[in-house]
Amino acid sequence: SQQGEEDPQALSIQEGENATMNCSYKTSINNLQWYRQNSGRGLVHLILIRSNEREKHSGRLRVTLDTSKKSSSLLITASRAADTASYFCATDAGGNNRLAFGKGNQVVVIP
Amino acid sequence: KAGVTQTPRYLIKTRGQQVTLSCSPISGHRSVSWYQQTPGQGLQFLFEYFSETQRNKGNFPGRFSGRQFSNSRSEMNVSTLELGDSALYLCASSSSDYGYTFGSGTRLTVV
Repeated sequence: SQQGEEDPQALSIQEGENATMNCSYKTSINNLQWYRQNSGRGLVHLILIRSNEREKHSGRLRVTLDTSKKSSSLLITASRAADTASYFCATDAGGNNRLAFGKGNQVVVIP
Repeated sequence: KAGVTQTPRYLIKTRGQQVTLSCSPISGHRSVSWYQQTPGQGLQFLFEYFSETQRNKGNFPGRFSGRQFSNSRSEMNVSTLELGDSALYLCASSSSDYGYTFGSGTRLTVV
């Protein structure tokens, strides 16, 4: 399977609930990044976690990284309708300046 | 600080034609990467330029080419267009190991 591959999910949640997405990868990485995409537009960088970090927070976002399991999770707390989007994880193996993206998770937050 | 600018936003071309897409990175960013996004294949790396040199290339046929100018602006060209080239083409710029800033993309439709 492709590096940086999310569990294929289409999440539909109520506003105020938490949303969790997972991502697994195959090879060693320098860092892992999460991006959001609204309606087929450009990608918005959300958060980057380096291979020597285990957890990172940014506002309502919490990312974890388990390099032993080659997996990461993105948690969005207290979701809002504006969080409705596709979320992609991408791995950067370092040294080659290219990202390997997963297939993405579509999240729908119902007001 | 202006973001990454991609032009045009939309393009419709006929099979067999060629197309040139443009990307202006964030001021000061010397690395520009290109990605193709399709429903079937997801996000795939095309190539990356740094200081006018192509440093990395993805697994695309030779019909896909690019270049970067001294002001870091980049163009990608697709010759002899095929229906399967219909996609959202995304450009990203970066300056360090911090993540990438993507443009809004150019949606190419080949008919």
